[in-house]
Amino acid sequence: EAGVAQSPRYKIIEKRQSVAFWCNPISGHATLYWYQQILGQGPKLLIQFQNNGVVDDSQLPKDRFSAERLKGVDSTLKIQPAKLEDSAVYLCASSWQGATEQYFGPGTRLTVT
Amino acid sequence: GESVGLHLPTLSVQEGDNSIINCAYSNSASDYFIWYKQESGKGPQFIIDIRSNMDKRQGQRVTVLLNKTVKHLSLQIAATQPGDSAVYFCAQGGNNRLAFGKGNQVVVIP
Repeated sequence: EAGVAQSPRYKIIEKRQSVAFWCNPISGHATLYWYQQILGQGPKLLIQFQNNGVVDDSQLPKDRFSAERLKGVDSTLKIQPAKLEDSAVYLCASSWQGATEQYFGPGTRLTVT
Repeated sequence: GESVGLHLPTLSVQEGDNSIINCAYSNSASDYFIWYKQESGKGPQFIIDIRSNMDKRQGQRVTVLLNKTVKHLSLQIAATQPGDSAVYFCAQGGNNRLAFGKGNQVVVIP
């Protein structure tokens, strides 16, 4: 089966610019996650979707980050405006509803200069 | 809040030897624990999980041990191979939410 797809793989922007990341989960996976992984650290959950609804966005910096999954399939994560500390890898993961195993995409490496 | 951490930042192991990666956690209410492997430029890859009501689980060349008394989790890799070189994360979960600790780099020496 095809894995979780993410694009772009790399992005370099200047601070105060905006950026968007796209994720297409594994077909049939109802649950989709966005994580932020700063170099040397474990991934940190930003937001979790169940179909097209938000389950958990408690760690999403809502003043600058937003995410949507309008049709319950693919998802976009946006940062506007970006700050230097947003430099990280943004990982998308998906899972079957109620399952513990999450399947991760390759991530988008964001560099904010 | 949840806190998951690793004891050792880097483990160098000779090819063919066994590897042991340790992890301490703070949230005793977690339903399950998972070990992930992350190679450079890739997303984390599921290795093995263990429910909180178990103390040992074995997979192919890997064994996870859970000691709830001291809140300790370990991953044992038998006959370590060059392809095992990666960063390993332990994570604790509940309600389909995972909390990851910092990674532990494993370097396999040929």
